[in-house]
Amino acid sequence: DAKTTQPNSMESNEEEPVHLPCNHSTISGTDYIHWYRQLPSQGPEYVIHGLTSNVNNRMASLAIAEDRKSSTLILHRATLRDAAVYYCILRGPYNQGGKLIFGQGTELSVKP
Amino acid sequence: DSGVTQTPKHLITATGQRVTLRCSPRSGDLSVYWYQQSLDQGLQFLIQYYNGEERAKGNILERFSAQQFPDLHSELNLSSLELGDSALYFCASSVSSGESGANVLTFGAGSRLTVL
Repeated sequence: DAKTTQPNSMESNEEEPVHLPCNHSTISGTDYIHWYRQLPSQGPEYVIHGLTSNVNNRMASLAIAEDRKSSTLILHRATLRDAAVYYCILRGPYNQGGKLIFGQGTELSVKP
Repeated sequence: DSGVTQTPKHLITATGQRVTLRCSPRSGDLSVYWYQQSLDQGLQFLIQYYNGEERAKGNILERFSAQQFPDLHSELNLSSLELGDSALYFCASSVSSGESGANVLTFGAGSRLTVL
């Protein structure tokens, strides 16, 4: 799987939008961009995924650059509960099972 | 509640012992994945089963083994335990075997293993 680069940590204020960046310059045309997050003392949780177009769901939005070499996870209004480690993962249609390879992620802290 | 059930939640044991961690996947999911998370290693993929058969293998030690049963629940067996095996062990499940890049995993709450 292609590599992603994320900042180690970010800070946000409660009720403000948060933009979490991810660089993936070696992405292939068939790689999906996935975001998971892990709240303290919990298992990872699926957030959103996309291939080429921007995606929205109840949790977040995913903005994908036109050349697909970077993407941004957008939390529209951060809450204290959004404090977590956010992982950006590329996943292609490989015949090697469905595993996800996690990097170090971005630790997001939210200040009241 | 994610729908993926892991037991036990906490387990304390001694070096040299053997333990079994159990995972029940979300209803309808055929794949089960095991991950290990320690402080210094992050989330490490161990192994995946799909409908009872091993599908992918990661950095799983020879002292560790897993299987998926006909009812689709899975067990991870850890033997000859060492201090370094202390970690959180997560199980995840998905509907498919994972060939599609859109495959989404649902994780359980984890089993915390402490080896003394």
